[in-house]
This record gives sequence, C-alpha cells and structure tokens, in this order.
Amino acid sequence: AQKVTQAQTEISVVEKEDVTLDCVYETRDTTYYLFWYKQPPSGELVFLIRRNSFDEQNEISGRYSWNFQKSTSSFNFTITASQVVDSAVYFCVLRYNFNKFYFGSGTKLNVKP
Amino acid sequence: NAGVTQTPKFRVLKTGQSMTLLCAQDMNHEYMYWYRQDPGMGLRLIHYSVGEGTTAKGEVPDGYNVSRLKKQNFLLGLESAAPSQTSVYFCASSYEGQGPNQPQHFGDGTRLSIL
Repeated sequence: AQKVTQAQTEISVVEKEDVTLDCVYETRDTTYYLFWYKQPPSGELVFLIRRNSFDEQNEISGRYSWNFQKSTSSFNFTITASQVVDSAVYFCVLRYNFNKFYFGSGTKLNVKP
Repeated sequence: NAGVTQTPKFRVLKTGQSMTLLCAQDMNHEYMYWYRQDPGMGLRLIHYSVGEGTTAKGEVPDGYNVSRLKKQNFLLGLESAAPSQTSVYFCASSYEGQGPNQPQHFGDGTRLSIL
C-alpha cells in the first residue's frame, strides 16, 4: 500500500502564479513526521519543512506555506507568486516508527517566465 | 563544512561486477542512510545505520550490503551488479538527539549504470 500519494505528476504555471502541491499520506501510527524536500534540476535534495503529527499549526515561510490537516491526512504545500527558480521536483515524505521513511513519487513543477 | 559527500558521482558497471559506494559526513550525525531513486519515483530506503558498527535493512535491501565501521562513513556494496540496480543512489545523515523529527541531509547522489 502506498504510504504517500502525490497525485500531481507534473504541474506547469506561469511566473507569479500561485500553485499548490498536494500530499496525502497513510499511517496507523499516532506519532509520525512529515517533510517536504525540493530536488532542483541539479539533483540534490533540499529540506524545506517538517511537521510533527501532534502539531497541526500551519506554517508560512516567505512565499512558501504549508497546510497540515490530520482529518484528511493531507500536508499540502503552496508557493505564492511562483518564480522560475522554484522549478524542481518536490517530494513529500512520511516518517514513522523511527526507521520507516516513505517518499511520495514527487511532483515536477515547471515555472515558465 | 562539506556536509555529506558521496564517491563516486558516476559509474558504469558490467553485469556481475562488484563495487562499493562511499558516503562520508562531517556533521557527527549518528544516523546514516542509503536510498535509491528510480525514474518517476521517490527515494526508497535500502539500508540504514543508527550508529557505528550497526546496520539494518530498509525497504529494498536485496542485492546490497552495507558497513559502518566508522561513525563518519557508511559504505554501500553491490556484490554482483544487475541491470535492475541501475539507479541514482543517495546517502543521507541525520541528528536524532532531539527526536526523529530532524531532517535528513543528503549527498549529491551517485548515478550508477549497470550494462
């Protein structure tokens, strides 16, 4: 069973548009951790945000914001006023049981000038 | 501060050959991990280590072995390479002293092709 679903395989937007990347996760554990990573064309993985299962507070960091909803098992990521430099593959990651890591299949974001 | 360094960055092997991928971190992290990334997929955990001298299996361990003889190094071995092991391999490390909510720090990846 897939633990993390990123249903959007690829999204294309024009610069300055807002875009939301969806992430739905599945776990029976009550304690778990969620992360978002960015993988630009150069290939490295860059950590963006983490969220604990017991902390449903949404977070904003500059143009980035995250909406965590336990009721729907979702942890969505919004980029406001997208820029060309935001073009990358974004991964949502679920961690539980300290040694269980599940990456979603990723959403490729193309931001066109 | 180099972070996580993977060696080599690229390698081409023939089926049946063996090789070792090296991961080194200079952040004094206890936990280290090896992942593989296949086209259109997220990373999948191969093996991990929670400290020097310890290793454990991840989601896709078959065909791989690992060793953690020194805290800063985590080696991934392919005993008899197969075309199905063509992939990009990522090493990561993390500090767990404040709990499992700490992010992993990744190397730049090793692109491995098995012919």
